[in-house]
Amino acid sequence: EIVLTQSPGTLSLSPGERATLSCRASQSVSSSYLAWYQQKPGQAPRLLIYGASSRATGIPDRFSGSGSGTDFTLTISRLEPEDFAVYYCQQYGSSQYTFGQGTKLEIK
Amino acid sequence: QLQLQESGPGLVKPSETLSLTCTVSGGSISSSSYYWGWIRQPPGKGLEWIGSIYYSGSTYYNPSLKSRVTISVDTSKNQFSLKLSSVTAADTAVYYCAPLGFSVDYWGQGTLVTVSS
Repeated sequence: EIVLTQSPGTLSLSPGERATLSCRASQSVSSSYLAWYQQKPGQAPRLLIYGASSRATGIPDRFSGSGSGTDFTLTISRLEPEDFAVYYCQQYGSSQYTFGQGTKLEIK
Repeated sequence: QLQLQESGPGLVKPSETLSLTCTVSGGSISSSSYYWGWIRQPPGKGLEWIGSIYYSGSTYYNPSLKSRVTISVDTSKNQFSLKLSSVTAADTAVYYCAPLGFSVDYWGQGTLVTVSS
């Protein structure tokens, strides 16, 4: 089973700042199979990025994904108030899915 | 656009079997584009994939839950279902159903299932 480790656990930033979230895999992950989600309290997760770097429909271009192999990054270029939430990475491999433990992005 | 709705009891007693159904609208569950799956989230915790099923009936389960999980599909009703046996308090969670590709494009709203006597 591939384990995804996200860092930091909590990130405290101010609106307008740049956020960089990390997702590290215990084994190499195909870039096609790495996704990022945003979850706000009381809501289902929302797909942000698929295939490591492709934005899902309707996702603003301030969200970008990058990385390959075992190291992947979600970057939010300029934080808006609505971006403060929990973010999860997810990988697919061998017909199995695993999620990272999440990074909470909070207002400083 | 696909829409999914989970249904089932919100309270299950310890050692009993949790049963949920997901009704799919806006598309056919027989679509070859997706597997159909269940994902859960304990209160205040992260996301855990439970298992997936193809419309033909082939299944994949999380190894940590495999001995207790059964996922089935009813193409005539455009539904798929989850059964989780011998539940404990650790199975208390919001349960989501979703179409599964390499990522999860759509999510049901989720349903909270509490395991308690």
